[in-house]
Amino acid sequence: AQSVTQLDSQVPVFEEAPVELRCNYSSSVSVYLFWYVQYPNQGLQLLLKYLSGSTLVESINGFEAEFNKSQTSFHLRKPSVHISDTAEYFCAVSSSGNTPLVFGKGTRLSVIA
Amino acid sequence: EAGVAQSPRYKIIEKRQSVAFWCNPISGHATLYWYQQILGQGPKLLIQFQNNGVVDDSQLPKDRFSAERLKGVDSTLKIQPAKLEDSAVYLCASSLDIGHPGTQYFGPGTRLTVL
Repeated sequence: AQSVTQLDSQVPVFEEAPVELRCNYSSSVSVYLFWYVQYPNQGLQLLLKYLSGSTLVESINGFEAEFNKSQTSFHLRKPSVHISDTAEYFCAVSSSGNTPLVFGKGTRLSVIA
Repeated sequence: EAGVAQSPRYKIIEKRQSVAFWCNPISGHATLYWYQQILGQGPKLLIQFQNNGVVDDSQLPKDRFSAERLKGVDSTLKIQPAKLEDSAVYLCASSLDIGHPGTQYFGPGTRLTVL
């Protein structure tokens, strides 16, 4: 069985400061890893994903995540956050193809002006 | 391209009543998922369809929940009778055929409140 642990339920950070949202997973097979973002009263949107190849993946809005197989981690980072980044962030894992996603409990990022 | 559509967006019912949610996936997406997201938790899979067949319903409480996707396109999820603990957001997602490493696209969700 797979599981995802997001170590921080809430992360407050000042605008233009860097942020890291932590994600660790557990799986006995190879995995695909995802970060989804959920803005208030909206559905989940894919932020970035790791399927294979380069372990560092980037999103179009400045977020990046690095797959670390030895540490079973997929932490999300951004060097300088904006107010508009305030949202709930979910890390998720799946084992292959279109198998269902297993989500962590989410991290609420609050960016303070 | 149109996204995943869900309706209604909000529903309030009393316990023991029944309720139904509707989902229309992205055109051409063969795989459809229903997830339940309880406040403060990540989404949890209820059921997965491939075209009009069930792939995984191991976490669906079958004594009260049912789902169908008769023509392999849109889908309905029903709860009968509802319990207080069913209060949650019900998310529908779709993706391309099995074999494509999965980007799942989510609808806006239906927020259910059971009183």
